[in-house]
This record gives sequence, structure tokens and C-alpha cells, in this order.
Amino acid sequence: DVKVTQSSRYLVKRTGEKVFLECVQDMDHENMFWYRQDPGLGLRLIYFSYDVKMKEKGDIPEGYSVSREKKERFSLILESASTNQTSMYLCASKRGLLTDTQYFGPGTRLTVL
Amino acid sequence: AQSVTQLDSQVPVFEEAPVELRCNYSSSVSVYLFWYVQYPNQGLQLLLKYLSGSTLVKGINGFEAEFNKSQTSFHLRKPSVHISDTAEYFCAVSGNDYKLSFGAGTTVTVRA
Repeated sequence: DVKVTQSSRYLVKRTGEKVFLECVQDMDHENMFWYRQDPGLGLRLIYFSYDVKMKEKGDIPEGYSVSREKKERFSLILESASTNQTSMYLCASKRGLLTDTQYFGPGTRLTVL
Repeated sequence: AQSVTQLDSQVPVFEEAPVELRCNYSSSVSVYLFWYVQYPNQGLQLLLKYLSGSTLVKGINGFEAEFNKSQTSFHLRKPSVHISDTAEYFCAVSGNDYKLSFGAGTTVTVRA
């Protein structure tokens, strides 16, 4: 079974802090994704990566950056957390074909005070 | 670019009754369509997907969906629901890139 793990299930940070969300997948997938999930908005893509050190902006990249130094690990960084970044963050991974399934981690619920 | 509209935000249903969740999409290219389920406090899990071929797709847990190209729809159905089907359901579409576009979600609440 594919496994996508996220470093924290719940996280509470203060405004202005630098926040790191970590995601690891164990199936040698080329593609990895970060989404945020908000009620009534579904999932919105923040960034994705199609290879090590490669990244592309999604639909809502402002206020976020990412890092992919190893194939299995994809980090989401909030340089200076703000209250409007309070949300559920979901990581996903998939193989290289367009038709392949995306597999999701359990999510990190981030609260910024 | 693709977009997805889920026509119902909340669907209450009694146990053993049928349920249908409606999904419409818009796209200028050929699409691949997906339904995901999210149980409380969990990540998303794939229910089924349409890639090509037969327009009726069967998935896990007794769910099925029908692709209708002329109506640009991909509605999800289950003939008899269980309490354990209480969850949020997301329709998603991808085109000729690696990105998935998700609908806003439909919350299904099954009552005894």
C-alpha cells in the first residue's frame, strides 16, 4: 500500500512564525502536491513538484514556499504565518502518468493565533 | 483549465436508502474524472475514476458513477447507504497536466 505521512496532525503557531510542514511518501512517486482545504472551497493547490528540486506554483502560492531535496520528501514552508493561513493542509503524491491516482496523507490542521 | 461544480453541499439520507451526488465539470480538453471520499479526521481516499471506455464506473464500497459527456456530468450513486458512509465526498477532474481541480465537496450524513 502507498503511504503518505505528514509530520504533524495538529499544529498551533503564532502570527509571524516560520512554519514547516513535512510530507514523506514511500512509493518512489515522481509527483508531490500540497493543498489547503477550507470549508465550502474544497481543495486548492498551493504548489506541486514533478521531480527533485523542481516545483511549480499552483492556484494559491502566495505566502508559501516549498522544498524538495529528496524524492520522497516535500516540505511546505510558511515564511511568516498569518491568521488567514489557518487551515487543513493535505499532501499528496502520484506516479508520472496523467491517469495515475493521487494518494493523500492524513492532513495537518494548522491554527495560527 | 478545468472546473468542477458539486451541486449539493449537504445530503442527508436514511440508512439503506439510495443516494446520488451530483457533479458537473467544464473543460476544453479531454478529461479524467475522479471521486474521493474523506472520512472524519482522515485524508482523502479514491472511490473510483473514469479514464476512458465504459461510461459506468464501479468503485469501492458499492459506489458507482456514470460519465455523461454531452451533459458534462459525473454523478456518484450508491443504491443502499450505511451509517459508515457518512463522510465528505469530492469530485475532481484533470486534463492534460498533472493537476487535479476539486469541487467544493458534498457532506453526506446517514441517519438510522
